[in-house]
Amino acid sequence: DAKTTQPTSMDCAEGRAANLPCNHSTISGNEYVYWYRQIHSQGPQYIIHGLKNNETNEMASLIITEDRKSSTLILPHATLRDTAVYYCIVRVEGDYKLSFGAGTTVTVRA
Amino acid sequence: NAGVTQTPKFQVLKTGQSMTLQCAQDMNHNSMYWYRQDPGMGLRLIYYSASEGTTDKGEVPNGYNVSRLNKREFSLRLESAAPSQTSVYFCASSKRLAGGVYNEQFFGPGTRLTVL
Repeated sequence: DAKTTQPTSMDCAEGRAANLPCNHSTISGNEYVYWYRQIHSQGPQYIIHGLKNNETNEMASLIITEDRKSSTLILPHATLRDTAVYYCIVRVEGDYKLSFGAGTTVTVRA
Repeated sequence: NAGVTQTPKFQVLKTGQSMTLQCAQDMNHNSMYWYRQDPGMGLRLIYYSASEGTTDKGEVPNGYNVSRLNKREFSLRLESAAPSQTSVYFCASSKRLAGGVYNEQFFGPGTRLTVL
């Protein structure tokens, strides 16, 4: 699986959009970008995934660059409950493995 | 639906003791997983079960055994606990579709294990 690079931490203001970047410059054509988050002391939670088109669901939007070497997870209106570690994972859809790196610690401040 | 449930939530063992961590899911998923998470680190896969009746080693299987009791339940056993196994253990499940495609994984709340 391609490796990903994320910032160690970031802050954002409550009510504003949070934009979380992820670099995956060695991604292969059959690899998807997945995002999970882990709120303190809880199990990870699936957020969204995509291949090359932008994706949106009730939790977030995923923007993937045209060359697929990077992506951005957007939380449109961050709340205090969005404070968590966010993991960007690249894997072949259908591969059982999820390789969790260190992720980005996002702190939403009032 | 309760989703993925794990018991116990907390456990303290002495070195050499054994115990079994229990996991159950009510989402009719056919694949189940055990991970461990050490402080400040991401999750690492211990074992997984693609479907009832099958189990396979993950990244860090040494010191653990698993049993896929039925479609709902997947247990993790530590035969002789060591301090290096102090960690938070997460169980997860996912749906495996025809052709071997796995959907996203759903995680349980975790078991916090301390081995003295």
